[in-house]
Amino acid sequence: EEEVVESGGGTVQPGGSLRLSCSASEFILRSYEVTWVRQAPGKGLEWVAYISRGDNNIFYADSVRGRFTISRDADSDSVFLDLTNLRPEDSGFYFCGRLGGGGPIESWGQGALVTVSS
Amino acid sequence: QSVLTQPPSVSGAPGQRVTISCTGGTSNIGAGYDVHWYQQFPGRAPKLLIYVNTLRPAGVPARFSGSTSAPSATLAITGLQAEDAATYYCQSFDKGLMGWVFGGGTEVTVL
Repeated sequence: EEEVVESGGGTVQPGGSLRLSCSASEFILRSYEVTWVRQAPGKGLEWVAYISRGDNNIFYADSVRGRFTISRDADSDSVFLDLTNLRPEDSGFYFCGRLGGGGPIESWGQGALVTVSS
Repeated sequence: QSVLTQPPSVSGAPGQRVTISCTGGTSNIGAGYDVHWYQQFPGRAPKLLIYVNTLRPAGVPARFSGSTSAPSATLAITGLQAEDAATYYCQSFDKGLMGWVFGGGTEVTVL
């Protein structure tokens, strides 16, 4: 079964950094556009970042631009989200998603939990 | 404050029809960008329910349907079932923000 898998969550102090990874099971991730969406505890969904198949288009939400970086690695067929200068309000589950035709998030990972706390 | 506005909650008895509105503006739904809908259960990842305004992925029951009338979209559940109790989110693209936007989510309660 095709699955998206996130890893790399954890607890970090304010101002700290984390790297989240997104990989694929039973499909080739580099053939797809990929996005990250986060959800604070008890809150709604918030789009975070997007990367196109060829890396030529990258977009960020205003709330993370300049602090988060999305990238791909062809060798590992992974997508990364580097989180720096973290704030308590960045805490939550981070979902990696594979985009389908027409732009919907057709496949979601199980989520990686990020906790920013002193 | 979400760019796309949804009612916080809707409820209905089993078998009834309920609708969830998603109201945007001239930079997103009103500009012709597609709307997608997701269903989420507590503690679980969201699941794609409706894409490109009206299309259902394989395996999604036919009682779920989507429609648009810019600058709004609507998700309808016809013949509500107990298993439909969940939170539903709409999503579109916003050309002013140059990014994707979600509605705040609507919790559906089956009475």
